[in-house]
Amino acid sequence: NAGVTQTPKFRVLKTGQSMTLLCAQDMNHEYMYWYRQDPGMGLRLIHYSVGEGTTAKGEVPDGYNVSRLKKQNFLLGLESAAPSQTSVYFCASSYYQETQYFGPGTRLLVL
Amino acid sequence: GDSVTQMEGPVTLSEEAFLTINCTYTATGYPSLFWYVQYPGEGLQLLLKATKADDKGSNKGFEATYRKETTSFHLEKGSVQVSDSAVYFCALSDRGTGFQKLVFGTGTRLLVSP
Repeated sequence: NAGVTQTPKFRVLKTGQSMTLLCAQDMNHEYMYWYRQDPGMGLRLIHYSVGEGTTAKGEVPDGYNVSRLKKQNFLLGLESAAPSQTSVYFCASSYYQETQYFGPGTRLLVL
Repeated sequence: GDSVTQMEGPVTLSEEAFLTINCTYTATGYPSLFWYVQYPGEGLQLLLKATKADDKGSNKGFEATYRKETTSFHLEKGSVQVSDSAVYFCALSDRGTGFQKLVFGTGTRLLVSP
């Protein structure tokens, strides 16, 4: 039981490049979330999903897109990366409205 | 909207000292309250939670009591260890939107020296 895993662990991008962050969970959770963590701030919700095939915007969705084609996976896409998207990205999952379990994070640097 | 305020860090303590990290919240409803811990290089882990007023959450020697009258959820531990060095996040959940939206504080870094 690996819990929540994230790929990659670290990535450097140039401004304008695109990339996809992958989150996978093996706990059969319905809900999945993407957060970003910036210095001096708490985690902020980017997008979330309440089930396979559904996604919704969170607090800071601009510049990101997501997809939930399979229940166990939740992808976060950056179509045209900007330096302001330099951050640590965390994925989480939960069994409906229960406790959220977090992945280890992806550190992204946009130059 | 809902918000969480934590004391700024870092909090620096010697091993076996008593720990308090203050957390207060603002919420329109009756949220659940959480403490998450983030060890260096890792993701957040749930440390403890409380779902209604006067509930006490506890885990690994840490405890926090949901105080509705003072809108607080302060984290305490009687005797800290070096291994407790981490960043601690207070959070509340708002279920009014149909899912568990977590609102986080800014985090408090704890440094424990031998």
